[in-house]
Amino acid sequence: AQTVTQSQPEMSVQEAETVTLSCTYDTSESNYYLFWYKQPPSRQMILVIRQEAYKQQNATENRFSVNFQKAAKSFSLKISDSQLGDTAMYFCAFMEIQGAQKLVFGQGTRLTINP
Amino acid sequence: GAGVSQTPSNKVTEKGKYVELRCDPISGHTALYWYRQSLGQGPEFLIYFQGTGAADDSGLPNDRFFAVRPEGSVSTLKIQRTERGDSAVYLCASSLGVGAWNEQFFGPGTRLTVL
Repeated sequence: AQTVTQSQPEMSVQEAETVTLSCTYDTSESNYYLFWYKQPPSRQMILVIRQEAYKQQNATENRFSVNFQKAAKSFSLKISDSQLGDTAMYFCAFMEIQGAQKLVFGQGTRLTINP
Repeated sequence: GAGVSQTPSNKVTEKGKYVELRCDPISGHTALYWYRQSLGQGPEFLIYFQGTGAADDSGLPNDRFFAVRPEGSVSTLKIQRTERGDSAVYLCASSLGVGAWNEQFFGPGTRLTVL
């Protein structure tokens, strides 16, 4: 079974700084998707960024980018120029392309951006 | 357009009671997913529907949990003989179709508290 591990329960940075959230996963699949979701206090999960394992180029979405290391099974999220609105829980998630059509989530990292 | 909606937002019940949680997906989305998020954890998959049929219910913890989607739109998660361990946030998500390339859009969840 696939597992996703986020080893940083909490992180805190100053506004405008850059922060990197870590995620590792375990799978025997060769192709899959990886995701970062943001969950603010409103509880609604919002997709931040996603990466298909077959694509070598790291995904970027404005201030958000990933460092995908397939051999190491590592998928970190970098937030540049952090803003107060980035304060939230962040979840790393995995999904097979063939087989089980479900997101497998990590335990989450609580990120606080301080003014 | 409207996103995924879930009702009620909060539900408090007594141990042993029956509860129903409702999910209204985004119009036109054929795939619908239920996840359960315990306090301080990432969401865990319960069941997903493709159209009216439950395509994978492997995440349902036991036979007290049941979900339906009779017309391929609204879904109801039903929990019989509730236990204190059922207390969690129940999240619903929908997507255009199955497949990891189809983004799952989440609702705000229903917080269930079993006293």
